[in-house]
Amino acid sequence: DVKVTQSSRYLVKRTGEKVFLECVQDMDHENMFWYRQDPGLGLRLIYFSYDVKMKEKGDIPEGYSVSREKKERFSLILESASTNQTSMYLCAIRGRFSYNEQFFGPGTRLTVL
Amino acid sequence: AQTVTQSQPEMSVQEAETVTLSCTYDTSESDYYLFWYKQPPSRQMILVIRQEAYKQQNATENRFSVNFQKAAKSFSLKISDSQLGDAAMYFCAYRSGETSGSRLTFGEGTQLTVNP
Repeated sequence: DVKVTQSSRYLVKRTGEKVFLECVQDMDHENMFWYRQDPGLGLRLIYFSYDVKMKEKGDIPEGYSVSREKKERFSLILESASTNQTSMYLCAIRGRFSYNEQFFGPGTRLTVL
Repeated sequence: AQTVTQSQPEMSVQEAETVTLSCTYDTSESDYYLFWYKQPPSRQMILVIRQEAYKQQNATENRFSVNFQKAAKSFSLKISDSQLGDAAMYFCAYRSGETSGSRLTFGEGTQLTVNP
């Protein structure tokens, strides 16, 4: 089974703090994704990565950055957290031999006060 | 850019009954994939069913089936013999088969309640 883990299930941070959300996969997949999920908006792509040290902007990259130093780990960074970044953050990987489906982590619910 | 629309924010169904969740999409591409994902309360998102646009036959997975109408750009999910465990948020998603990468575009989601 594909396993995608995220560092925290719940996180509370203060405005202006630097926040790191980590995603780890155990299947040597190249493609990894970060989404945020908000009620009424569905999932929106923030950033994705095709391989180590490679990254591409998604639909809503403003206020975020990412890091992929190792193949199994993809980090989402909020340089200076703001209240409008309060959301559920989901990491996903693309299955290598599947029909392009994605496998998701459990999500991190981030609250910025 | 592709868009995916789920016009039903909430749906409810009686246990053992059938329910259909709607999804429409907009694209100029001819090669693409469509998915339905399920997100149970406080649990991980999982794939329910997938459909390749080049296939005319509608996909089925046990009690889950789709009605794929390519010309109408419609991709509805039918859940038969609904069970309490089907209660979840359901997302429709689109993936291009023409552009590089494997990013998904999601709809807004439909919250399904199953009443005993």
